[in-house]
Amino acid sequence: DQQVKQNSPSLSVQEGRISILNCDYTNSMFDYFLWYKKYPAEGPTFLISISSIKDKNEDGRFTVFLNKSAKHLSLHIVPSQPGDSAVYFCAGTKVQGAQKLVFGQGTRLTINP
Amino acid sequence: DAGITQSPRHKVTETGTPVTLRCHQTENHRYMYWYRQDPGHGLRLIHYSYGVKDTDKGEVSDGYSVSRSKTEDFLLTLESATSSQTSVYFCAISGLAGGPGQFFGPGTRLTVL
Repeated sequence: DQQVKQNSPSLSVQEGRISILNCDYTNSMFDYFLWYKKYPAEGPTFLISISSIKDKNEDGRFTVFLNKSAKHLSLHIVPSQPGDSAVYFCAGTKVQGAQKLVFGQGTRLTINP
Repeated sequence: DAGITQSPRHKVTETGTPVTLRCHQTENHRYMYWYRQDPGHGLRLIHYSYGVKDTDKGEVSDGYSVSRSKTEDFLLTLESATSSQTSVYFCAISGLAGGPGQFFGPGTRLTVL
């Protein structure tokens, strides 16, 4: 039972263009969603989060959109830069003391010069 | 960067042997987590701790045990390692000031032959 799904294993985008990474979830109890970025041989790094009561959160080049009716969220990166090439994971959690993150499978983003 | 270290960073062991992975934090955070990362699955929660001597199971806890005798250390033990436990293991702590999210350690790559 995959509660969080990232259906695109990989995405290739030209430098300077917009990257859009998608994520679907089934668990309506999640009250926060998060995006993490991971480089090879390193731990995941927190990028941005969104509360389930919001539909958009922006931080510099990164914007996350949440569509609760569709149980869908997306991460927009504008403009895309070569250093953005990494694996991106979305995760959902219910914030209740311990945060038990439920991750998607990840999407490998490659930014081409 | 959050002060999280993991040891060892790499380990090769044989089926049936016990293995202990260590996570050490210098941030004095109450919550600590162990995840494993496998292709096609993202990261999955193994066990977590909400205080000294207080632990609970995650999504994939079978075959694993944990202990936390000090705030700063969280140990993951494979009592009798199996090849299905070959994976990359990440420790994490929470939380981020002003919101949810976890800081992750650099990971331990474990190979069980």
